[in-house]
Amino acid sequence: AQSVTQPDIHITVSEGASLELRCNYSYGATPYLFWYVQSPGQGLQLLLKYFSGDTLVQGIKGFEAEFKTRLSYFNLRTPSVHWRDAAEYFCAVCGNAGNMLTFGGGTRLMVKP
Amino acid sequence: GAVVSQHPSRVICKSGTSVKIECRSLDFQATTMFWYRQFPKQSLMLMATSNEGSKATYEQGVEKDKFLINHASLTLSTLTVTSAHPEDSSFYICSARDHGGLSYEQYFGPGTRLTVT
Repeated sequence: AQSVTQPDIHITVSEGASLELRCNYSYGATPYLFWYVQSPGQGLQLLLKYFSGDTLVQGIKGFEAEFKTRLSYFNLRTPSVHWRDAAEYFCAVCGNAGNMLTFGGGTRLMVKP
Repeated sequence: GAVVSQHPSRVICKSGTSVKIECRSLDFQATTMFWYRQFPKQSLMLMATSNEGSKATYEQGVEKDKFLINHASLTLSTLTVTSAHPEDSSFYICSARDHGGLSYEQYFGPGTRLTVT
C-alpha cells in the first residue's frame, strides 16, 4: 500500500528565508509524486510533479523538489519565501497504475514579516 | 491548462435536506472523476471514484446510499448528500482525470463548502 507522511504540521519562517517542507513516502515501486498548495477556503493548485526522468523537478512560484528514491523522500524547497506563500502544502503519491492519489497530512506554512 | 469547476462554491442547508454538488471538466473529457472530503485543518480523504457510465467505487467507510454519485457524461459528475446532518458539514473537492492525457494526473476543482445547520 502507498502512504505519505509529512512530519511537520506547522512551520513558521521569516520572509526571505529559505524553506524545506518534508515529505516521506512509501510505495513498492517508483511512484508518481506531487506537491499541491491550498490557500484557505480554496482548492488545490499543483506546484510540481515527478513522473520520470530528471530527479530534480522545477515547479511554479519558485519551488523545486528532488526525488530521492533510496531515501524515500520528496522534499519541497524554495530559496526565498514570500508572504504570499503562506498556505497549506500537501504532498501526494500515486501508483503507476494511475489510480488513487494518497495525500500526506499537510504542512501549514506561516510567514513572518 | 485543464480546468475543473464546482458548483456551488458554498451551500448552507437544513438538517434532513439533500444537497447536490456538481463537478465539471471545462476543457477536457474526464472518464474518471474523484470526490474528496476535507475536514478543517485536515488532509483530503478520498470518498469515491466516479467512472462515466458506470457505478462509482466507494472507499471503505463511505456510505454509498448517503453520498450518491452520478457520472452521466464525460464532463460532469455530481455528488448528492442525502438527508444531510451537521456532521456532513465539510469541504468537498472533486478532481478529474483527462481521458486523453496522462493517466495519473488529476485536476482539482476549487471545492464546495457545505454547512448543515
